[in-house]
Amino acid sequence: QITLKESGPTLVKPTQTLTLTCTFSGFSLSTSGVGVGWIRQPPGKALEWLALIYWDDDKRYSPSLKSRLTITKDTSKNQVVLTMTNMDPVDTATYYCAQGGVAFDYWGQGTLVTVSS
Amino acid sequence: VIWMTQSPSLLSASTGDRVTISCRMSQGISSYLAWYQQKPGKAPELLIYAASTLQSGVPSRFSGSGSGTDFTLTISCLQSEDFATYYCQQYYSFPWTFGQGTKVEIK
Repeated sequence: QITLKESGPTLVKPTQTLTLTCTFSGFSLSTSGVGVGWIRQPPGKALEWLALIYWDDDKRYSPSLKSRLTITKDTSKNQVVLTMTNMDPVDTATYYCAQGGVAFDYWGQGTLVTVSS
Repeated sequence: VIWMTQSPSLLSASTGDRVTISCRMSQGISSYLAWYQQKPGKAPELLIYAASTLQSGVPSRFSGSGSGTDFTLTISCLQSEDFATYYCQQYYSFPWTFGQGTKVEIK
């Protein structure tokens, strides 16, 4: 059974750095073809793809956010970490991690991050 | 960047109706398209990938078609549990992109 769960702060202040952790089970991020990505959704709005890391450490980022994002993996801990610098109120959203080398087969429940002073 | 136009943004329908949702790409993506269903307060769920392949466990009333730039999600006989928001997503090239969503509401 594949599960993913996001963890991190629910409230961050403007200009701070957000660090989110995706802890997963039921698959290995060292298996060829496997990837884990991050997607966010502002309240009442559409999904936005942020970043993806593959089993071979290939990393891909949204061009509009690339300068602010870093995605890393710890295969031994079954975790993927996303950091986003210089947070702004417009970054308030539910952040999801999801598994998939292509389409996202499995999703975490999401974590709402609010950016406010 | 591949831009996606998903339509309609809102669809009012009744149980038993046949509904179709369209997703048009700014450039060809072969069949590298997925469809997701999202219910309020929940994470999206994968319905269809490779434009027309039904994800395991998804009811057969859902179907996908298209290739290149024009794609369609069809629900053949709308059930009460199908009232939700639907998103298309291309994974042909990075950055991956999602459509703006179609909310299917009760008429």
